[in-house]
Amino acid sequence: NAGVTQTPKFRILKIGQSMTLQCTQDMNHNYMYWYRQDPGMGLKLIYYSVGAGITDKGEVPNGYNVSRSTTEDFPLRLELAAPSQTSVYFCASSYSSDIQYFGAGTRLSVL
Amino acid sequence: QQQVKQSPQSLIVQKGGISIINCAYENTAFDYFPWYQQFPGKGPALLIAIRPDVSEKKEGRFTISFNKSAKQFSLHIMDSQPGDSATYFCAASMRSGGYNKLIFGAGTRLAVHP
Repeated sequence: NAGVTQTPKFRILKIGQSMTLQCTQDMNHNYMYWYRQDPGMGLKLIYYSVGAGITDKGEVPNGYNVSRSTTEDFPLRLELAAPSQTSVYFCASSYSSDIQYFGAGTRLSVL
Repeated sequence: QQQVKQSPQSLIVQKGGISIINCAYENTAFDYFPWYQQFPGKGPALLIAIRPDVSEKKEGRFTISFNKSAKQFSLHIMDSQPGDSATYFCAASMRSGGYNKLIFGAGTRLAVHP
């Protein structure tokens, strides 16, 4: 039982490039989330999904897109990367309760 | 009203001492208050949580104290150990738009010195 798996662990992008952060969970959770974590700040919700085919914006969605074609996968797409998107990104999942399980994170630098 | 304010930003405690981290909130719609522990290079992991109908919850050396009237809650780590050195996040949750919205505090970096 791997839990929530994120890839890649680290990535450096040039301004204007695009990439997809992968997230998969094997706990059959309906709910999935993407957060970003900046130094000295708590986690901010980017997007969330309540089930396959259903996604919605969180607190800081600008510059990102998501899709949820299966229960297991919830990729986060960055189009036209900007320095402001330098951050650590965490994917999380939950069954239907308040307990969210987090992946190990993707550290992204945009230079 | 959706913020959760956490203090201190950093904390240094000697081994065996008590670590105390405080959080405050405004929105009375919050109905679940978890604490997450995060080690370097890892994702946050649920440590302990409380609902507002109780004033205290204890799990081993970790205790949450909850003051509903003051809208404050705190984490106490008794007999702090070097292995407790991590960043701790308080959070508050409420039902919003079909999911449990989780608002995080800014985090407290705890260092326990031997």
